[in-house]
Amino acid sequence: DSGVTQTPKHLITATGQRVTLRCSPRSGDLSVYWYQQSLDQGLQFLIQYYNGEERAKGNILERFSAQQFPDLHSELNLSSLELGDSALYFCASSVAGGTGGDTQYFGPGTRLTVL
Amino acid sequence: AQSVTQLGSHVSVSEGALVLLRCNYSSSVPPYLFWYVQYPNQGLQLLLKYTSAATLVKGINGFEAEFKKSETSFHLTKPSAHMSDAAEYFCAVTRMDSSYKLIFGSGTRLLVRP
Repeated sequence: DSGVTQTPKHLITATGQRVTLRCSPRSGDLSVYWYQQSLDQGLQFLIQYYNGEERAKGNILERFSAQQFPDLHSELNLSSLELGDSALYFCASSVAGGTGGDTQYFGPGTRLTVL
Repeated sequence: AQSVTQLGSHVSVSEGALVLLRCNYSSSVPPYLFWYVQYPNQGLQLLLKYTSAATLVKGINGFEAEFKKSETSFHLTKPSAHMSDAAEYFCAVTRMDSSYKLIFGSGTRLLVRP
């Protein structure tokens, strides 16, 4: 158990819908990262938040957005869902802002299926 | 730009045999390198990481990896495979000057035969 929690574990929805994925980092960690794992793209970095502020952006679609709240939990919002958005979405957390080779601890993931 | 190449999408070994999973990286600045393991229906767990302190890095579950700058490699080894090692293994790289983003290889699935 990494100490990172993600809810829900599974999510099944229809095209065009909007969903919210939730992540709680390890106690004391200030950074939250979101990754997408799909069969065709592999593991891709989406976005990072550090202490409530966006720190870095990867290949995140405009239909996707995220935020980190004062209690440091984070939410990833996916809207206008398409079939290709079906994937495993991971959240990871680290102590600091992503320097010095911080270890990122991964949650168990949310499996999103878009029908 | 940084990248990671993992040779072999599948590796099969017999129980008790040597495990060797290959990882080559490309980075214009000194990298940090990681190996993660993913068991079925689970998240990624850190096996070990290289942060320039020592070129031979020992991790959990008997795994180790050696950083070879001249070969731009960071191969993962274990002297004797166990059935419980069957999983998918990912090599990842990040920049030493701004390591916010892990760049992952495509993964290698390790199969352990009894």
